[in-house]
Amino acid sequence: DAGVIQSPRHEVTEMGQEVTLRCKPISGHNSLFWYRQTMMRGLELLIYFNNNVPIDDSGMPEDRFSAKMPNASFSTLKIQPSEPRDSAVYFCASAPRDRGSETQYFGPGTRLLVL
Amino acid sequence: GESVGLHLPTLSVQEGDNSIINCAYSNSASDYFIWYKQESGKGPQFIIDIRSNMDKRQGQRVTVLLNKTVKHLSLQIAATQPGDSAVYFCAENWGSGNTPLVFGKGTRLSVIA
Repeated sequence: DAGVIQSPRHEVTEMGQEVTLRCKPISGHNSLFWYRQTMMRGLELLIYFNNNVPIDDSGMPEDRFSAKMPNASFSTLKIQPSEPRDSAVYFCASAPRDRGSETQYFGPGTRLLVL
Repeated sequence: GESVGLHLPTLSVQEGDNSIINCAYSNSASDYFIWYKQESGKGPQFIIDIRSNMDKRQGQRVTVLLNKTVKHLSLQIAATQPGDSAVYFCAENWGSGNTPLVFGKGTRLSVIA
Protein backbone atom coordinates (compact mmCIF):
# COMPACT_ATOMS: atom_id res chain seq x y z
CA ASP A 1 0.00 0.00 0.00
CA ALA A 2 1.26 3.48 -0.83
CA GLY A 3 0.17 4.92 2.49
CA VAL A 4 -1.65 8.21 2.90
CA ILE A 5 -1.00 10.48 -0.06
CA GLN A 6 -1.08 14.26 0.20
CA SER A 7 -0.70 16.92 -2.43
CA PRO A 8 0.84 19.30 -2.96
CA ARG A 9 3.85 18.66 -0.72
CA HIS A 10 4.70 22.36 -0.69
CA GLU A 11 2.55 25.38 -1.39
CA VAL A 12 3.54 29.03 -1.43
CA THR A 13 0.77 31.53 -1.97
CA GLU A 14 -0.11 35.13 -1.35
CA MET A 15 -2.47 36.38 1.29
CA GLY A 16 -6.06 36.36 0.08
CA GLN A 17 -5.63 33.48 -2.33
CA GLU A 18 -7.57 30.23 -2.09
CA VAL A 19 -5.60 27.16 -1.08
CA THR A 20 -6.76 23.57 -1.57
CA LEU A 21 -4.98 20.67 0.08
CA ARG A 22 -5.71 17.13 -1.01
CA CYS A 23 -5.58 13.77 0.67
CA LYS A 24 -6.02 10.18 -0.40
CA PRO A 25 -6.40 7.89 2.62
CA ILE A 26 -5.21 4.31 2.80
CA SER A 27 -7.63 2.06 0.93
CA GLY A 28 -10.17 0.46 3.26
CA HIS A 29 -9.74 2.97 6.06
CA ASN A 30 -12.97 4.39 7.42
CA SER A 31 -11.74 7.46 9.27
CA LEU A 32 -9.85 10.48 8.01
CA PHE A 33 -8.29 13.30 10.00
CA TRP A 34 -6.87 16.71 9.15
CA TYR A 35 -4.22 18.16 11.46
CA ARG A 36 -2.20 21.34 11.51
CA GLN A 37 1.27 21.53 13.03
CA THR A 38 3.10 24.71 13.98
CA MET A 39 6.00 25.52 16.26
CA MET A 40 3.70 27.65 18.39
CA ARG A 41 0.84 25.21 18.93
CA GLY A 42 2.17 21.77 18.08
CA LEU A 43 -0.14 19.21 16.45
CA GLU A 44 -3.79 20.30 16.35
CA LEU A 45 -6.77 18.28 15.12
CA LEU A 46 -8.86 20.36 12.73
CA ILE A 47 -11.61 17.97 11.64
CA TYR A 48 -12.25 14.27 11.21
CA PHE A 49 -14.58 12.10 9.16
CA ASN A 50 -16.01 8.65 9.73
CA ASN A 51 -17.34 6.91 6.63
CA ASN A 52 -17.08 10.19 4.70
CA VAL A 53 -19.25 12.06 7.22
CA PRO A 54 -17.75 14.97 9.20
CA ILE A 55 -17.95 14.09 12.88
CA ASP A 56 -16.21 16.92 14.68
CA ASP A 57 -15.03 20.17 13.13
CA SER A 58 -14.59 22.06 16.38
CA GLY A 59 -10.89 22.37 15.68
CA MET A 60 -11.38 24.30 12.46
CA PRO A 61 -10.02 27.78 13.21
CA GLU A 62 -12.72 29.81 11.50
CA ASP A 63 -15.09 29.98 8.56
CA ARG A 64 -12.22 30.48 6.17
CA PHE A 65 -11.47 26.78 6.60
CA SER A 66 -13.63 24.06 5.08
CA ALA A 67 -13.17 20.35 4.49
CA LYS A 68 -14.98 17.83 2.34
CA MET A 69 -14.85 14.12 1.77
CA PRO A 70 -16.91 13.34 -1.33
CA ASN A 71 -15.95 9.67 -1.32
CA ALA A 72 -13.94 7.14 0.63
CA SER A 73 -10.75 7.79 -1.29
CA PHE A 74 -10.49 11.56 -1.37
CA SER A 75 -10.68 14.57 0.91
CA THR A 76 -9.89 18.26 0.57
CA LEU A 77 -9.09 21.01 3.04
CA LYS A 78 -9.69 24.47 1.67
CA ILE A 79 -8.64 27.85 3.02
CA GLN A 80 -10.32 30.86 1.48
CA PRO A 81 -9.04 33.51 1.82
CA SER A 82 -5.66 32.47 3.14
CA GLU A 83 -3.74 34.56 5.68
CA PRO A 84 -0.07 34.52 6.78
CA ARG A 85 -1.04 32.99 10.14
CA ASP A 86 -2.30 29.91 8.25
CA SER A 87 1.31 29.04 7.42
CA ALA A 88 1.92 25.58 8.85
CA VAL A 89 2.34 21.94 7.94
CA TYR A 90 -1.01 20.28 7.31
CA PHE A 91 -1.24 16.54 7.83
CA CYS A 92 -3.88 14.10 6.75
CA ALA A 93 -4.19 10.78 8.58
CA SER A 94 -6.45 7.78 8.15
CA ALA A 95 -7.50 4.98 10.48
CA PRO A 96 -8.98 1.58 9.72
CA ARG A 97 -11.97 1.55 12.06
CA ASP A 98 -15.17 3.56 12.37
CA ARG A 99 -14.42 4.39 15.96
CA GLY A 100 -11.74 6.75 14.72
CA SER A 101 -9.51 6.28 17.65
CA GLU A 102 -7.48 3.34 16.57
CA THR A 103 -4.05 3.64 15.03
CA GLN A 104 -3.84 6.61 12.69
CA TYR A 105 -1.46 6.60 9.77
CA PHE A 106 -0.14 9.96 8.69
CA GLY A 107 0.69 11.31 5.28
CA PRO A 108 3.89 13.25 4.57
CA GLY A 109 2.15 16.60 5.04
CA THR A 110 1.72 19.75 2.99
CA ARG A 111 3.97 22.62 3.98
CA LEU A 112 2.01 25.82 3.42
CA LEU A 113 3.52 29.29 3.36
CA VAL A 114 1.22 32.26 2.98
CA LEU A 115 3.05 35.48 2.18
CA GLY B 1 6.75 41.20 19.67
CA GLU B 2 8.92 38.19 20.01
CA SER B 3 7.20 34.91 19.13
CA VAL B 4 7.55 32.03 21.52
CA GLY B 5 7.67 28.56 20.07
CA LEU B 6 6.62 25.32 21.62
CA HIS B 7 9.41 24.32 23.98
CA LEU B 8 9.75 20.58 23.68
CA PRO B 9 11.50 18.60 26.38
CA THR B 10 14.76 17.31 24.96
CA LEU B 11 16.54 14.09 25.77
CA SER B 12 20.16 13.72 24.70
CA VAL B 13 21.55 10.19 24.61
CA GLN B 14 24.87 8.68 23.59
CA GLU B 15 24.74 6.32 20.66
CA GLY B 16 24.43 2.77 21.91
CA ASP B 17 22.82 3.72 25.21
CA ASN B 18 19.19 3.02 26.04
CA SER B 19 16.65 5.84 25.87
CA ILE B 20 13.56 6.29 27.98
CA ILE B 21 10.93 8.80 26.93
CA ASN B 22 8.13 9.51 29.35
CA CYS B 23 4.57 10.70 28.91
CA ALA B 24 1.87 11.56 31.43
CA TYR B 25 -1.56 11.01 29.95
CA SER B 26 -4.66 12.82 31.03
CA ASN B 27 -7.69 10.54 31.02
CA SER B 28 -7.95 7.58 33.36
CA ALA B 29 -10.63 6.16 31.04
CA SER B 30 -8.24 5.93 28.08
CA ASP B 31 -7.90 2.36 26.89
CA TYR B 32 -5.50 2.62 23.96
CA PHE B 33 -2.13 4.33 23.63
CA ILE B 34 0.29 4.89 20.77
CA TRP B 35 3.82 6.18 20.37
CA TYR B 36 4.69 8.07 17.22
CA LYS B 37 8.06 9.15 15.86
CA GLN B 38 8.36 12.27 13.74
CA GLU B 39 11.55 12.96 11.84
CA SER B 40 12.32 16.37 10.49
CA GLY B 41 10.20 17.16 7.43
CA LYS B 42 8.07 14.04 7.73
CA GLY B 43 4.72 13.02 9.15
CA PRO B 44 4.37 11.18 12.46
CA GLN B 45 5.13 7.50 12.05
CA PHE B 46 3.53 4.75 14.15
CA ILE B 47 6.04 2.95 16.39
CA ILE B 48 4.14 0.83 18.87
CA ASP B 49 0.81 0.70 20.66
CA ILE B 50 -0.58 -0.81 23.84
CA ARG B 51 -4.03 -1.44 25.26
CA SER B 52 -5.00 -0.75 28.84
CA ASN B 53 -5.31 -4.43 29.68
CA MET B 54 -1.54 -4.73 29.29
CA ASP B 55 1.31 -3.09 31.18
CA LYS B 56 4.14 -3.89 28.78
CA ARG B 57 4.56 -4.53 25.11
CA GLN B 58 7.73 -5.11 23.15
CA GLY B 59 8.64 -4.45 19.58
CA GLN B 60 11.89 -4.40 17.70
CA ARG B 61 14.28 -2.44 19.96
CA VAL B 62 11.33 -0.64 21.54
CA THR B 63 9.28 -1.35 24.63
CA VAL B 64 6.24 0.51 25.86
CA LEU B 65 5.33 0.45 29.54
CA LEU B 66 1.96 1.50 30.89
CA ASN B 67 1.30 2.41 34.52
CA LYS B 68 -2.40 3.10 34.86
CA THR B 69 -2.14 3.86 38.55
CA VAL B 70 -0.21 7.04 37.92
CA LYS B 71 -1.35 7.53 34.29
CA HIS B 72 2.16 7.19 32.95
CA LEU B 73 3.41 5.85 29.65
CA SER B 74 7.01 5.32 28.66
CA LEU B 75 8.88 4.36 25.53
CA GLN B 76 12.19 2.57 25.89
CA ILE B 77 14.55 2.39 22.94
CA ALA B 78 17.39 -0.10 23.22
CA ALA B 79 20.84 0.61 21.76
CA THR B 80 19.86 4.04 20.50
CA GLN B 81 21.08 4.88 17.01
CA PRO B 82 21.53 8.20 15.19
CA GLY B 83 18.45 7.34 13.10
CA ASP B 84 16.37 7.42 16.27
CA SER B 85 16.83 11.19 16.53
CA ALA B 86 13.34 12.63 16.17
CA VAL B 87 10.40 14.03 18.09
CA TYR B 88 8.38 11.37 19.87
CA PHE B 89 4.68 11.80 20.62
CA CYS B 90 2.46 9.76 22.87
CA ALA B 91 -1.24 9.62 22.04
CA GLU B 92 -4.22 8.29 23.97
CA ASN B 93 -7.72 7.27 23.07
CA TRP B 94 -10.19 8.81 25.46
CA GLY B 95 -12.34 5.82 24.86
CA SER B 96 -15.83 7.20 24.46
CA GLY B 97 -17.73 7.02 21.21
CA ASN B 98 -15.85 8.11 18.14
CA THR B 99 -13.39 10.45 19.80
CA PRO B 100 -10.05 10.61 18.04
CA LEU B 101 -6.62 10.28 19.58
CA VAL B 102 -5.32 13.00 21.88
CA PHE B 103 -1.67 13.79 21.28
CA GLY B 104 0.93 14.94 23.77
CA LYS B 105 3.29 17.81 23.07
CA GLY B 106 6.23 15.60 22.16
CA THR B 107 9.80 14.98 23.32
CA ARG B 108 12.82 15.60 21.16
CA LEU B 109 15.40 12.81 21.23
CA SER B 110 18.90 13.78 20.19
CA VAL B 111 21.42 10.98 19.70
CA ILE B 112 25.04 11.92 20.15
CA ALA B 113 27.35 9.91 17.93
